[in-house]
Amino acid sequence: AQSVAQPEDQVNVAEGNPLTVKCTYSVSGNPYLFWYVQYPNRGLQFLLKYITGDNLVKGSYGFEAEFNKSQTSFHLKKPSALVSDSALYFCAVNYGNMLTFGGGTRLMVKP
Amino acid sequence: KAGVTQTPRYLIKTRGQQVTLSCSPISGHRSVSWYQQTPGQGLQFLFEYFSETQRNKGNFPGRFSGRQFSNSRSEMNVSTLELGDSALYLCASSLLVEGPYEQYFGPGTRLTVT
Repeated sequence: AQSVAQPEDQVNVAEGNPLTVKCTYSVSGNPYLFWYVQYPNRGLQFLLKYITGDNLVKGSYGFEAEFNKSQTSFHLKKPSALVSDSALYFCAVNYGNMLTFGGGTRLMVKP
Repeated sequence: KAGVTQTPRYLIKTRGQQVTLSCSPISGHRSVSWYQQTPGQGLQFLFEYFSETQRNKGNFPGRFSGRQFSNSRSEMNVSTLELGDSALYLCASSLLVEGPYEQYFGPGTRLTVT
């Protein structure tokens, strides 16, 4: 079975500081990993994905994610957080075109 | 290009009723998936359609059903509504079926069952 875990319900950072949102995965076979963001009363927006290749994946809005096979992790990062980054972030694994999501991490960026 | 659209955006139904939600995918996208989002269970996969055929189904009771039309538009139906069906229902479309293509989500339909 495919699964992802987001160990932190909430992450608080100050504006301008780097941020990390953690995700670990458990899959059989090659992992196809995704990050999505959800703003209030909105659907999910695609940020980035890892299929194969470079372990550092760059995505939308300045976000990037680091794939680590030995630690089975796919952490989302951004060098300098903005207040507008405050939202709910979901890590997901794709298997057979079905997304299995983590529980989500609420990111709060304070001015 | 227009995004995924879902109608209605909000819906209030009474327990025991049935409801139909509609989804129009991004033009050219042929795969449509549905997800349920609740505070308790998080985001859960309901089912996926491609070429008017259900390809995958999540672990939901038979009260939840769907279909896809020849123009790729999709509907999902929930019969005999229960209070626990109150949720945000999200539709997502993707360009192709095979391979790990990103799915693009609509704004969702907020269903409240009273």
